[in-house]
Amino acid sequence: EAQVTQNPRYLITVTGKKLTVTCSQNMNHEYMSWYRQDPGLGLRQIYYSMNVEVTDKGDVPEGYKVSRKEKRNFPLILESPSPNQTSLYFCASSLATGVRAFFGQGTRLTVV
Amino acid sequence: GQQVMQIPQYQHVQEGEDFTTYCNSSTTLSNIQWYKQRPGGHPVFLIQLVKSGEVKKQKRLTFQFGEAKKNSSLHITATQTTDVGTYFCADNNYGQNFVFGPGTRLSVLP
Repeated sequence: EAQVTQNPRYLITVTGKKLTVTCSQNMNHEYMSWYRQDPGLGLRQIYYSMNVEVTDKGDVPEGYKVSRKEKRNFPLILESPSPNQTSLYFCASSLATGVRAFFGQGTRLTVV
Repeated sequence: GQQVMQIPQYQHVQEGEDFTTYCNSSTTLSNIQWYKQRPGGHPVFLIQLVKSGEVKKQKRLTFQFGEAKKNSSLHITATQTTDVGTYFCADNNYGQNFVFGPGTRLSVLP
């Protein structure tokens, strides 16, 4: 089944404790991206990647890191999480830029 | 930077009534995608519009792209309770990053 898989689905952590949210897609898509969703603000793009080893900042990249060592995986890293990074995070992939995106199930992160 | 706006933010309708959400941009849009997110779910792709003035239909849903490519709309005829959710428009920004609107949350009262 074609899908984008994120893990974990839910995470509660403390300020400053490094964490990684994984994202994997099985559709051989080139384009992958991360979003955060906050009430009233919609989906804001954090980082995107057009291909392996190519990553670019989206609208809200501060406090986040990503890597794209393999085509299928695009982990999101929070080196030192803070409470303002409490949010719902989505990973998405698409065959290329400008075409439909497939979203993962989401990761609800709470930083206390 | 580019801003994509949507109105209204919320819409409550009685089942059977029509619903429209509007998407506007401060700059010319490269193309528009529409997504639906059910409560507790993830965004799901509905459609993409590319050409100026384009109109596409999916059953009770009608999507339009403005002639100047600065706005788009989604119209639902005779809403049903299954239409409940948040509808987002998104611009691909000429093949770079995606910019999403804040969404319109639709409630349908039975």
